[in-house]
Amino acid sequence: DIQMTQSPSSLSASVGDRVTITCRASQSIRNYLNWYQQKPGKAPKLLIYAASSLQSGVPSRFSGSGSGTDFTLTISSLQPEDFATYYCQQSYNSPPYTFGQGTKLEIK
Amino acid sequence: QVQLVESGGGVVQPGRSLRLSCAASGFTFSTYAIHWVRQAPGKGLEWVALISYDGTNEYYADSVKGRFTVSRDNSKNTVFLQLSTLRVDETAVYYCARGGYSHGSTNFDYWGRGTLVTVSS
Repeated sequence: DIQMTQSPSSLSASVGDRVTITCRASQSIRNYLNWYQQKPGKAPKLLIYAASSLQSGVPSRFSGSGSGTDFTLTISSLQPEDFATYYCQQSYNSPPYTFGQGTKLEIK
Repeated sequence: QVQLVESGGGVVQPGRSLRLSCAASGFTFSTYAIHWVRQAPGKGLEWVALISYDGTNEYYADSVKGRFTVSRDNSKNTVFLQLSTLRVDETAVYYCARGGYSHGSTNFDYWGRGTLVTVSS
């Protein structure tokens, strides 16, 4: 199975900061990489699909990049509502569709 | 609007069974795959199972293969997840999610609120 590793596991930042979260796959997954945001007690929400495409309704301060094994999620200017846990997930070929372990973004 | 509503969670003893349901509305249910994803308390997300749009294909995580069974009834816009021989470490919130497909890539574009399964003696 393909393993997904996110870094860092946790991150403290301030409103207005630019933040980058990375995700590495154990083998090439081309661009079959999605990013989700999850707030406490809520279901995850799709932010980015196919590595760099913004899901409808998601603010443009979120962006994704990468292909192959290395990917990034960038938030250009953190807003108070962005403090949450972020997960990457690969959907290369057939299941299992594995997730990264998550990155918890906290207020500094 | 797209809605997915899970039900059927509860407290169950180790080794026993439970059936979860995921009722969908707001989209053409019979044209979408549905996934199950679980999250143990304080832990990350784990993909569990997938059923294709027409129910002809099923996929499972190795950790549940042979014990969990996914099925669907397109006439009732509902997907089911039968959980058998449950273990204490399978205590989790179980989410169903719609299988979106864009740019050749599968994603989970809509999620239910989840249903909590507690496995405890």
